[in-house]
Amino acid sequence: AQSVTQLGSHVSVSEGALVLLRCNYSSSVPPYLFWYVQYPNQGLQLLLKYTSAATLVKGINGFEAEFKKSETSFHLTKPSAHMSDAAEYFCAVSESNSGYALNFGKGTSLLVTP
Amino acid sequence: GAVVSQHPSRVICKSGTSVKIECRSLDFQATTMFWYRQFPKQSLMLMATSNEGSKATYEQGVEKDKFLINHASLTLSTLTVTSAHPEDSSFYICSASRRQVDYGYTFGSGTRLTVV
Repeated sequence: AQSVTQLGSHVSVSEGALVLLRCNYSSSVPPYLFWYVQYPNQGLQLLLKYTSAATLVKGINGFEAEFKKSETSFHLTKPSAHMSDAAEYFCAVSESNSGYALNFGKGTSLLVTP
Repeated sequence: GAVVSQHPSRVICKSGTSVKIECRSLDFQATTMFWYRQFPKQSLMLMATSNEGSKATYEQGVEKDKFLINHASLTLSTLTVTSAHPEDSSFYICSASRRQVDYGYTFGSGTRLTVV
């Protein structure tokens, strides 16, 4: 069964600093990996996804993530944090063995300070 | 494109009553929809997977008689919380699969259910 682990439930960065949110996955078959952002009392917005094409995936709002099979990781980065990036971020995995249902990590709350 | 409309966004109901939540895919056919539950400050937990025209598949620990899921058409799935109790208060989110298109998922905006 597939799963993801997000290291760090809370991450705080200064405005303009590098954002790094960590995600490691466990999957018995090649996975599809996703990063979503959620603002309070709202649904989820897709930032980017990996579906076995290029290992470096570029998403919206300047975010990108790199799929590293050897490290079973899919960390999310952004070169320069903006105040509007403060939100909850979820890494998720899906695979054929589970009917392609998304399995979410516990989430990382990103705080951006002035 | 690829919009999923979820209604209502907020609902307050009395204990013992039933509440129906609708999830509609507006511009694509959703052969598979997923229903999630999210408690405050927690992640999304998959409740069930529904395929159009067939019975939903529930995750372990989810009461299928309490959380009724219907997926009668390619554009509409509903979740009915029957005989709701305060512990059912939560944020419910639906998601439509676009696997055949781009391996993506489109999420509804969620429903905040409060049972009093």
